[in-house]
Amino acid sequence: EVVLTQSPGSLSLSPGERATFSCRASQTINGNFLAWYQQKPAQAPRLLISSASTRATGIPDRFSGSGSGTDFTLTISSLEPEDSAQYYCQRYQQSSASYTFGQGTKLEIK
Amino acid sequence: EVQLVESGGGLVQTGGSLTLSCVASGFTFSSYWMSWVRQAPGKGLEWLTDIKEDGTDKYYVDSVKGRFSISRDNAKNSLNLQMNSLRAEDTAVYYCARDQGVSGTDDWYFDLWGRGTLVTVS
Repeated sequence: EVVLTQSPGSLSLSPGERATFSCRASQTINGNFLAWYQQKPAQAPRLLISSASTRATGIPDRFSGSGSGTDFTLTISSLEPEDSAQYYCQRYQQSSASYTFGQGTKLEIK
Repeated sequence: EVQLVESGGGLVQTGGSLTLSCVASGFTFSSYWMSWVRQAPGKGLEWLTDIKEDGTDKYYVDSVKGRFSISRDNAKNSLNLQMNSLRAEDTAVYYCARDQGVSGTDDWYFDLWGRGTLVTVS
């Protein structure tokens, strides 16, 4: 089973700064099929990025995803106060027919 | 409006049973795989189970295999999760989610989520 490890555990940044989230897989993710989600307190997760770099419908272009193999990155280019949330990466493995999430990174906007 | 609405959560005794429901609207429910994902208090997301469009294939994470059962009624646009032999560690918010992806590949993710329903096992 592929394990996804996210870092850092938390971030505290100011509006306008750049945020970078890392997601490292224990095995190569073929096809770079990795997704990212945002979850605000007491809300359901929201899909941000699929296939490592494809923004979901309605997601602002300040959100971008990159990476390949085992190392993937979510970047928020210029933080807004509403970006304060938990961010998760996720992958699906057809061989085990199962989904796996990373443990998440908490972003606080100062 | 495209949405998923869960119901059925509540307080249940250890060893008890509970059935969660999720009603879909605004899209062709019968065309999608559907999943249940949970989140224990203060913890991360854990995928539990999913079911094929026509209900013929189902998959489970090991921690709920044999205790939880997923089902769907496409005529009613509803997804269900029957939970038996509940344990304290099953306490969580349970989300219904729509699977999106490409069959035969690893390109799968969740593009629509409900607001969740809280299950407390005590």
